[in-house]
Amino acid sequence: EAGVTQSPTHLIKTRGQQATLRCSPISGHTSVYWYQQALGLGLQFLLWYDEGEERNRGNFPPRFSGRQFPNYSSELNVNALELEDSALYLCASSLATSGRYDTQYFGPGTRLTVL
Amino acid sequence: EDKVVQSPLSLVVHEGDTVTLNCSYEVTNFRSLLWYKQEKKAPTFLFMLTSSGIEKKSGRLSSILDKKELFSILNITATQTGDSAVYLCAVFTGTASKLTFGTGTRLQVTL
Repeated sequence: EAGVTQSPTHLIKTRGQQATLRCSPISGHTSVYWYQQALGLGLQFLLWYDEGEERNRGNFPPRFSGRQFPNYSSELNVNALELEDSALYLCASSLATSGRYDTQYFGPGTRLTVL
Repeated sequence: EDKVVQSPLSLVVHEGDTVTLNCSYEVTNFRSLLWYKQEKKAPTFLFMLTSSGIEKKSGRLSSILDKKELFSILNITATQTGDSAVYLCAVFTGTASKLTFGTGTRLQVTL
């Protein structure tokens, strides 16, 4: 069974640009989560999508946004990039829907570097 | 604000040693606690703990949750160099379906 996949592996952008990161969940999983792991910090929850809708977001500014497609894959968009956005962005998927707490399985991440 | 604290921050042991990693939490509406191992990038799932006092075991790894004292431990016996990684503790809270992570414990196992 294929795991969670993410693309690209690495992304280099300059300040002010926009970045788009992609995630494909494990087959059969409907929920996708995005986390940011900055150097020296723990994973910080960004966004949760389920059945095509944003269900919850963490304490991040609105320039972090995303969407989930009918095939349950997801995109994370970061607008007006700032230097401190440089981090590993991890996507996870699970069977969870509201009220259930199933294990989240992680992809390999996208390393975003903002110059 | 929900908080998950792991200790120690880092640990160096010799192959064959036994280690205990700690995770304490202060959260509202606790649902479950998860342990992950992160070697290069993708955290890989180890255990999910929901009930107090019930040990979960997988090979040389085991974990237990104490919901009264709000902590969990992860034990690794007979450590091997392949156990070198960052071990992450995370807690599910409320109905948000989001995980709150600790900053992790970096374990290095030397020959």
